[in-house]
Amino acid sequence: AQKVTQAQTEISVVEKEDVTLDCVYETRDTTYYLFWYKQPPSGELVFLIRRNSFDEQNEISGRYSWNFQKSTSSFNFTITASQVVDSAVYFCALSEETDSWGKLQFGAGTQVVVTP
Amino acid sequence: EAQVTQNPRYLITVTGKKLTVTCSQNMNHEYMSWYRQDPGLGLRQIYYSMNVEATDKGDVPEGYKVSRKEKRNFPLILESPSPNQTSLYFCASSSGLAGGPNTGELFFGEGSRLTVL
Repeated sequence: AQKVTQAQTEISVVEKEDVTLDCVYETRDTTYYLFWYKQPPSGELVFLIRRNSFDEQNEISGRYSWNFQKSTSSFNFTITASQVVDSAVYFCALSEETDSWGKLQFGAGTQVVVTP
Repeated sequence: EAQVTQNPRYLITVTGKKLTVTCSQNMNHEYMSWYRQDPGLGLRQIYYSMNVEATDKGDVPEGYKVSRKEKRNFPLILESPSPNQTSLYFCASSSGLAGGPNTGELFFGEGSRLTVL
């Protein structure tokens, strides 16, 4: 069963609009890590953020922000004032304590298309 | 520069012709793994290795082999490739230290796009 669900397959926005990517995860572990990776058209995977399960503080980094809510098992990602360079596939991923720490379980990804 | 290097980046082959995708990392990481990426499925782990001579199956190991004779190298072997192994493959490494500052963070190679005809 998929442990990380990204229900949005594709989101299209016009430049300067905000876009929020949803991520819902499933785990029985009390200790786990959540990640977001970006995959631009060139294909490489770029690490964006890691959160551990004990830190529910929201985080902002430039135009990126993340909303972690354990009560709803969600770790959503918002891009503010989107730009064409934000066009990419974004993956949410989970690493569990009971699994090997290096194993990430990925969602299916959300394609973000930003048009000028 | 810290990096994970995969070769080849692109490969077209035919069913049954054995091939190896090499992976090397220069960060002295203990943990290495292979993922495949398919549309609508995200990335799925094929095999992983906690250290030299320690490998184990991930979620989709069928049709693949790996070896870990040296810490820096973790090749992926397709003994008899089939068309359903056409995919984008990523090698990744991690320090693997639970609770450490980089816990769980994977460093990925640039990917190897494999087509099996």
